[in-house]
Amino acid sequence: EVQLVESGGGLVQPGGSLRLSCVGSGFTFSTYWMTWVRQAPGKGLEWVTNIKEDGTDIYYVDSVKGRFTVSRDNDKNSLYLQMNSLRAEDTAVYYCARGVYKVDYWGQGTLVTVSS
Amino acid sequence: DIVMTQSPDSLAVSLGERATINCRSSQSVLYSSNNKNYLAWYQQKPGQPPKLLIYWSSTRESGVPDRFSGGGSGTDFTLTISSLQAEDVAVYYCQQYYSPPRTFGGGTKVEIK
Repeated sequence: EVQLVESGGGLVQPGGSLRLSCVGSGFTFSTYWMTWVRQAPGKGLEWVTNIKEDGTDIYYVDSVKGRFTVSRDNDKNSLYLQMNSLRAEDTAVYYCARGVYKVDYWGQGTLVTVSS
Repeated sequence: DIVMTQSPDSLAVSLGERATINCRSSQSVLYSSNNKNYLAWYQQKPGQPPKLLIYWSSTRESGVPDRFSGGGSGTDFTLTISSLQAEDVAVYYCQQYYSPPRTFGGGTKVEIK
């Protein structure tokens, strides 16, 4: 059974940092692009970033460029999102998902709250 | 960036009736070399992550009931629920994956009339 489990969310002050993690199981992690999508409370979905299977190709939404860094460790079946210089508008549930075209499995999400 | 516009924002449909959701992209998401539309549809129920329903604009994901169908090409797309069931109450999103940022539409909330 394919599973994606996110962790690392929490309350952080504006300007602070957090590192989200996502562990995949039940599939060959190293053969899939991975995706982060976020959802602000009561709002719609926002695509954040994609990373290629080997980490050589990465894309970001403009609003996080220069502040967020996605990475992966295929030996640990893990995906990461380093978030720096956090703003109130980054408050959201962050979902890890498998794939880039056919995004077929999603984690349950981890809540990031940016507030003083 | 490709802007995805969904309509309506919400709709209420009687059980057993048809529900149609529209999605328009600000530029074509049809890739001419393979004749595929780079568009997906997702369903999200309260407190749950999104669920993939349709990809390549019209290919139903495994396990998705055949009352869900996707259509359209280029810049105009539809998601149709042919006979609405109670369990279909949710918010539906379209997403283009033609080019990054791989943007979502604003969502359409489907309710029972």
